[in-house]
Amino acid sequence: SQQGEEDPQALSIQEGENATMNCSYKTSINNLQWYRQNSGRGLVHLILIRSNEREKHSGRLRVTLDTSKKSSSLLITASRAADTASYFCATDAISNFGNEKLTFGTGTRLTIIP
Amino acid sequence: DGGITQSPKYLFRKEGQNVTLSCEQNLNHDAMYWYRQDPGQGLRLIYYSQIVNDFQKGDIAEGYSVSREKKESFPLTVTSAQKNPTAFYLCASSIAARGYYEQYFGPGTRLTVT
Repeated sequence: SQQGEEDPQALSIQEGENATMNCSYKTSINNLQWYRQNSGRGLVHLILIRSNEREKHSGRLRVTLDTSKKSSSLLITASRAADTASYFCATDAISNFGNEKLTFGTGTRLTIIP
Repeated sequence: DGGITQSPKYLFRKEGQNVTLSCEQNLNHDAMYWYRQDPGQGLRLIYYSQIVNDFQKGDIAEGYSVSREKKESFPLTVTSAQKNPTAFYLCASSIAARGYYEQYFGPGTRLTVT
């Protein structure tokens, strides 16, 4: 079953604007990661945030995590045409078996309009 | 160059035939994973391996089989028992099977069964 649900499913913005995507998950986690996938390609890791962190930055990326609401957001500032891709969150649910697996969400398809 | 390779990029098979997808990594990673992605959806875990000669079922293992005889290689066989095998298959690896390690993905194999 899908642990994460991204919102919105699709987003189109003008180049230069900021893009915000949200991820909600169901069970308590240790870590949350964000990945990008260009059409027809493999995924590329963007950023990881631990459950005891609230915000993290990497270049034009800003990730927040609210464990009380079981949600995370990914903000891409000053978007570029090259940011056009699908973005997925992935979580490792706390379980008796250890956090061996990542469970991926359904993804947000981001289109940057030049 | 370090990375993960998957071959072939496109694969066509007749219904009722088994087919094996290749995945090789030279990152010296212990953990390897196989995911399935259907159009417009997220990734679902088929199998994963934490170490050579060991593997565990993921969420959708029925109709698939794997082996891990070498650290570098984690081939996936799609058997005739898989009811709906047409999909995009992604292989990934990480230093270890823990949620705080990023996963590195191959370029994927698109399998079409008719």
